[in-house]
Amino acid sequence: EIVLTQSPGTLSLSPGERATLSCRASQSVSSSSLAWYQQKPGQAPRLVIYGASSRATGIPDRFSGSGSGTDFTLTISRLEPEDFAVYYCQQYGSSFTFGPGTKVEIK
Amino acid sequence: QVQLQESGPGLVKPSETLSLTCSVSGGSVISGSYHWSWIRQPPGEGLEWIGYIYHSGSANYNPSLKSRVSISVDTSKNQFSLKLRSVTAADTAVYYCARTYFYFHYMDVWGKGTTVTVSS
Repeated sequence: EIVLTQSPGTLSLSPGERATLSCRASQSVSSSSLAWYQQKPGQAPRLVIYGASSRATGIPDRFSGSGSGTDFTLTISRLEPEDFAVYYCQQYGSSFTFGPGTKVEIK
Repeated sequence: QVQLQESGPGLVKPSETLSLTCSVSGGSVISGSYHWSWIRQPPGEGLEWIGYIYHSGSANYNPSLKSRVSISVDTSKNQFSLKLRSVTAADTAVYYCARTYFYFHYMDVWGKGTTVTVSS
């Protein structure tokens, strides 16, 4: 099973700042099977990025994804108030696994 | 647009079987491009994939849960279901159903989730 590690665990930033979230896999992951989700309290996760770098429908262009192999990054160029949430990366090899999440909180 | 809705008992006794159903509206479970997944989230924790099913009935399960899980699909009712046997308190979680894109393996439509508590 591929294990995903996310860092940092918590990111404390102010609106307008840049957020850089990391997702590292225990072995190489197909970029086409790497996704990022946003989850706010009491809500279901929402797809943000799929295929490592493609934005999901309705996701603003301040969100971008990059990476390959074992290292992937989600970048939010300028944080808006609605972006403060927990972000999970997810991969699919022969089964799905999720990372433990990064909480982006208001500083 | 496609919407998913979970339903089932909110309380299950230890050692019994947890049973949930996901009803699909605005789309069809027969769509060839999608699997249909169950994911859960224990209180204050992260996401855990349980398994998925294709409209043909072909399923794939999380290896850590495989011995206790079964997922089925009812194309006539446009819904799919989860059974988790021999539950313990560790199975207490919010359970989500989600549409899973077959080719890029992402979950693009989620239900709101249903809370299941395992307690006597």
